[in-house]
Amino acid sequence: QKEVEQNSGPLSVPEGAIASLNCTYSDRVSQSFFWYRQYSGKSPELIMSIYSNGDKEDGRFTAQLNKASQYVSLLIRDSQPSDSATYLCAVNMEEAGDMRFGAGTRLTVKP
Amino acid sequence: GAGVSQTPSNKVTEKGKYVELRCDPISGHTALYWYRQSLGQGPEFLIYFQGTGAADDSGLPNDRFFAVRPEGSVSTLKIQRTERGDSAVYLCASSLMGENTEAFFGQGTRLTVV
Repeated sequence: QKEVEQNSGPLSVPEGAIASLNCTYSDRVSQSFFWYRQYSGKSPELIMSIYSNGDKEDGRFTAQLNKASQYVSLLIRDSQPSDSATYLCAVNMEEAGDMRFGAGTRLTVKP
Repeated sequence: GAGVSQTPSNKVTEKGKYVELRCDPISGHTALYWYRQSLGQGPEFLIYFQGTGAADDSGLPNDRFFAVRPEGSVSTLKIQRTERGDSAVYLCASSLMGENTEAFFGQGTRLTVV
């Protein structure tokens, strides 16, 4: 099992819709979880971090964490064409302390 | 500095040559990460430093790859006897130590081995 797994997509949603991105992880004791956005040809940009079970909202973005299910998700409300990018899920490996990434989900928001 | 700085931004080298890639982290960040990213893939973990020491180097693909961080700030990733399969974008990130810290990336070095 990979340490961090994401559906590679592509995921396509119409402008104004909700985009839902999912991620599962293997390390049961991980405590820190992150979502990065990566535009083509650019480096990853941190958009959300979440450390406790439940929801965390920041503007149009909501991160959801369920440690019992080893599952973390990102919801993007009122999706805009500028949200079109690859979204990377990252998890801190508690024992080693380093951060591992999923393969990313490519999102396209169609006008 | 204001952000993570990586140099060079692009490097083209011949197969078999030696290359060094440099990362200058955000001032005060004691944790530093190196990743490699190929087209269409997520960042692949290479090595993680806490201060001057490599806390986890399990991602280095083979003994041609080596990284140092002698003063706990700037880090250099060294690749010996480069192969065409080493071509990728090499990303560096840094963060504070402790719980619940967020890592920030540099712009990457695109390495092309011809």
